Amino acid sequence: AQTVTQSQPEMSVQEAETVTLSCTYDTSENNYYLFWYKQPPSRQMILVIRQEAYKQQNATENRFSVNFQKAAKSFSLKISDSQLGDTAMYFCAFMGQGAQKLVFGQGTRLTINP
Amino acid sequence: DAEITQSPRHKITETGRQVTLACHQTWNHNNMFWYRQDLGHGLRLIHYSYGVHDTNKGEVSDGYSVSRSNTEDLPLTLESAASSQTSVYFCASSEAGGSGETQYFGPGTRLLVL
Repeated sequence: AQTVTQSQPEMSVQEAETVTLSCTYDTSENNYYLFWYKQPPSRQMILVIRQEAYKQQNATENRFSVNFQKAAKSFSLKISDSQLGDTAMYFCAFMGQGAQKLVFGQGTRLTINP
Repeated sequence: DAEITQSPRHKITETGRQVTLACHQTWNHNNMFWYRQDLGHGLRLIHYSYGVHDTNKGEVSDGYSVSRSNTEDLPLTLESAASSQTSVYFCASSEAGGSGETQYFGPGTRLLVL
């Protein structure tokens, strides 16, 4: 079974700084999908970014980008020019090829300080 | 706008009672999912459905059941509520496809079993 590990339970940075959240996963599949979801204090789960494993190019969405290292099974999220509104729990998630289910990591609580 | 809603948003019940949590989506998505969120575990899959009359067990299905009689709704039933089922429950939906479809989440239901 696939597993997803987020080794940083909590992180804290100053506003405008860059922060990187770590995620590793375990799978024997070659094709799969990886996601980062944000959960602000409102508890709503919001998709931040999505990566297909067969694409070598790292996904980017405005200030959010990923560093996808397939061989190392690593999928980190970089937030540039962090803002107070980025304060949230961040979850890394895995979806296998042919599957529609998500497997989540334990989450990283990120606090952006003014 | 299409959306996914959950009701109730908060529920307190007693041990042994049957409880049903509602999930309704207007995306016309074939796939629907139920997750529970507990500290230290991220989100874990309870049940899921790939279409009307289709239901499947997830990672933590014991004590829960679902039924899918139409595209829009996937109610989650706790047959006999237990204190271990105190949690936040999220419903999600996604389009039918080969794989990799993004899941969209409802706002969550906080359930307390006394």
